[in-house]
Amino acid sequence: GAVVSQHPSRVICKSGTSVKIECRSLDFQATTMFWYRQFPKQSLMLMATSNEGSKATYEQGVEKDKFLINHASLTLSTLTVTSAHPEDSSFYICSANTQGYEQYFGPGTRLTVT
Amino acid sequence: QQQVKQSPQSLIVQKGGISIINCAYENTAFDYFPWYQQFPGKGPALLIAIRPDVSEKKEGRFTISFNKSAKQFSLHIMDSQPGDSATYFCAASMGGKLIFGQGTTLQVKP
Repeated sequence: GAVVSQHPSRVICKSGTSVKIECRSLDFQATTMFWYRQFPKQSLMLMATSNEGSKATYEQGVEKDKFLINHASLTLSTLTVTSAHPEDSSFYICSANTQGYEQYFGPGTRLTVT
Repeated sequence: QQQVKQSPQSLIVQKGGISIINCAYENTAFDYFPWYQQFPGKGPALLIAIRPDVSEKKEGRFTISFNKSAKQFSLHIMDSQPGDSATYFCAASMGGKLIFGQGTTLQVKP
């Protein structure tokens, strides 16, 4: 149980275009979903927290107009990187939890902006 | 106050040995302390977690020791195996949000 999927696993896009990443909880309803960013050999940095049907809460320093988050249902959240630039290249990981404390992470999406 | 400090940055252990990774925090409002294991190119996987009202928790070869007064907690991996070679992150949670330590790269030599 507690499986979280992400799609796509890898994406390459040209500078200036937008990319959408999906995060799904497969066998449970997620009260809250989180989006993280991880640069090579670094830790995970929380970008935003989203609850179904409400606006996402962004961490300080994260541009909400650049990283659009939509939490359409209790099993789906999407992250759209708008007008992507090479510095947005990173490993994006989502997580989800239910009523408890445990957060379950997806396998991550490697974004490369050329 | 929101930081979680993790050490060492890297660790090399012989097969069968004990791997020990330490973390320290400042904010006493943290109420949940998980450890995650991450392999290259993969998402983190929850290994074991502890609440601050418990001083130790053991699951298989993995043990968390928690010292509330010192605001420190550690992960012990007993009988370390080459398959345990990965990056380990401690974290602390407040209001459901996780703050991660810097990570420890563990290499277990055969």
